[in-house]
Amino acid sequence: DQQVKQNSPSLSVQEGRISILNCDYTNSMFDYFLWYKKYPAEGPTFLISISSIKDKNEDGRFTVFLNKSAKHLSLHIVPSQPGDSAVYFCAAAEWDKLIFGTGTRLQVFP
Amino acid sequence: GAVVSQHPSRVICKSGTSVKIECRSLDFQATTMFWYRQFPKQSLMLMATSNEGSKATYEQGVEKDKFLINHASLTLSTLTVTSAHPEDSSFYICSASLGQVRSFKPQHFGDGTRLSIL
Repeated sequence: DQQVKQNSPSLSVQEGRISILNCDYTNSMFDYFLWYKKYPAEGPTFLISISSIKDKNEDGRFTVFLNKSAKHLSLHIVPSQPGDSAVYFCAAAEWDKLIFGTGTRLQVFP
Repeated sequence: GAVVSQHPSRVICKSGTSVKIECRSLDFQATTMFWYRQFPKQSLMLMATSNEGSKATYEQGVEKDKFLINHASLTLSTLTVTSAHPEDSSFYICSASLGQVRSFKPQHFGDGTRLSIL
């Protein structure tokens, strides 16, 4: 049973435009969410996080939105850059462990 | 920033061999370390949580005797895949945390170990 889902396995965006990556979860007990970026043959790199007491968190080009009623979060990247091309994982915290989604491969083309 | 070092990055060995993977936190003391496994095009699946000085907590379906975890210090955790078989071939990744996730300290990941059992 996949508690954290990323329904889009891939996304292609033109450089300079906005990238929107989506994530849905089923467990209402999750109250802390993170986004990680991963390149092939490397470990994930932490990008940004959000807790349930907020509905938005912004860090430079990255903004995460949380809609608790819909059990949905999204990562916005503006403007998108070719270096952003990677696999993005959302993760939800269940006490001291993370539950990861299946990832979305983002490709930013010139 | 925080760095987690994982070694080796790649292992190829014969069936029946035991393989040890090391995970070190380089510039911080990690009270908790985590071991994940990732199959191709799939999510990272948590295998076990390792706390310094105590026994690891394994996730459901993970064989404790197969995947031995030792967290002897605040900077080192090891995962030993005992008597490895081809079905154990996977990408293993460790992460380290300064504290529990709810203290809003994100986990930092190593670069992973690609294990291939012939």
